Amino acid sequence: DTGVSQDPRHKITKRGQNVTFRCDPISEHNRLYWYRQTLGQGPEFLTYFQNEAQLEKSRLLSDRFSAERPKGSFSTLEIQRTEQGDSAMYLCASRQGLETQYFGPGTRLLVL
Amino acid sequence: QKEVEQDPGPLSVPEGAIVSLNCTYSNSAFQYFMWYRQYSRKGPELLMYTYSSGNKEDGRFTAQVDKSSKYISLFIRDSQPSDSATYLCAMKRNYGQNFVFGPGTRLSVLP
Repeated sequence: DTGVSQDPRHKITKRGQNVTFRCDPISEHNRLYWYRQTLGQGPEFLTYFQNEAQLEKSRLLSDRFSAERPKGSFSTLEIQRTEQGDSAMYLCASRQGLETQYFGPGTRLLVL
Repeated sequence: QKEVEQDPGPLSVPEGAIVSLNCTYSNSAFQYFMWYRQYSRKGPELLMYTYSSGNKEDGRFTAQVDKSSKYISLFIRDSQPSDSATYLCAMKRNYGQNFVFGPGTRLSVLP
């Protein structure tokens, strides 16, 4: 295992459609994070899992967004009824204990 | 005012120059400080990680944290064209898992 992987790498969808992204963390990492990054900005924290438990959620995470991490391994981020403002890069990161986090390559979402 | 500020650049320097990148922050609760490098259309890659104040060196990179001034720096010695990227600072409190990122500084190292 060489790092965090994300799928798909790119997604184009029409406004109002639902989309789901997957993140596979580094295998021994128990902590998993989702971020959103728009052009010219740094990543913005969305949510955090420790094992399978979702322990923190940002106020940025509206009720159209839901994330899961069944069995504490991979995670999914779903956006329902997408809006043009959801267009961004969605980044996943994983971390073990007090080590710092390692990022995946991201999923670039474009909502038309 | 954003919690973490960075000059967005772009910053252009000749190959071999010493580069200084900086962030200021407003929240004195930040204890963990990181620098990431992000190439276009890629995820951020960790460069340096420090806890509390002080300096840390790793190869051509030196990170400095001055908590009294709420100011952190990253120095790159002998800069190379391959260093051309966006540099992001990030910070975290002792509690919670919310890593707060600056907007990034875009660096170009010209051959």
